Amino acid sequence: QVQLVESGGGVVQPGGSLRVSCAASGFTFSTYGMHWVRQASGKGLEWVAFVEHDASYKHYADSVKGRFTVSRDNSKTTLYLEMNSLRAEDTAVYYCARWDRVAAEGDYHYGMDVWGQGTTITVSS
Amino acid sequence: EIVLTQSPGTLSLSPGERVTLSCRASQTVSSRYLAWYQQKPGQAPRLLIYGASSRATGIPDRFSGSGSGTDFTLTISRLEPEDFAVYYCQQYGSSSSTFGQGTNLAIK
Repeated sequence: QVQLVESGGGVVQPGGSLRVSCAASGFTFSTYGMHWVRQASGKGLEWVAFVEHDASYKHYADSVKGRFTVSRDNSKTTLYLEMNSLRAEDTAVYYCARWDRVAAEGDYHYGMDVWGQGTTITVSS
Repeated sequence: EIVLTQSPGTLSLSPGERVTLSCRASQTVSSRYLAWYQQKPGQAPRLLIYGASSRATGIPDRFSGSGSGTDFTLTISRLEPEDFAVYYCQQYGSSSSTFGQGTNLAIK
């Protein structure tokens, strides 16, 4: 079945680095753009980053720009988020999500239709 | 960055009632990139509506979305017990994406 599984979360000190992964299965990974979204405990959803299906372009939230890097390996059907210079405010559950496109009303409509279960990152000394 | 403001922040209703949630954007949003999600405690979000008005696969027809420009709405025609959750709108455009702060739909 269609599935996304995140891994790599953990506890890291402020200023440290971490890489989280998102393994995709059950669909043609190389044809979908992918997002990272995070959620601090008890808070709302915050978009983090997007990578196009072929990695031709990438976008980042201002809060992570210059510190986080999104990448993908289509041969391994895996999405990555490399996080550097981590801060306490980066503490959150990190989700990967598939960016789907459907034809509707003579146009295309978009949404994040498949989500992983999330991986928790805690930035603390 | 486009800011999405959802209202109300919290709503207490009973099963069987009709509810309309609002999502207002600080700038014009392309309808094709406006989506709605439902999230229950301890779970990942679930896509409800694509492109402002298209229901995602498996979403009951009591859920409907509408709107354009800067004003979008999600309507649940008749609340079921499983509909009590937090709802988020989300937009994508201009090399960025944002979520609204969420509406918490609680059982009265």
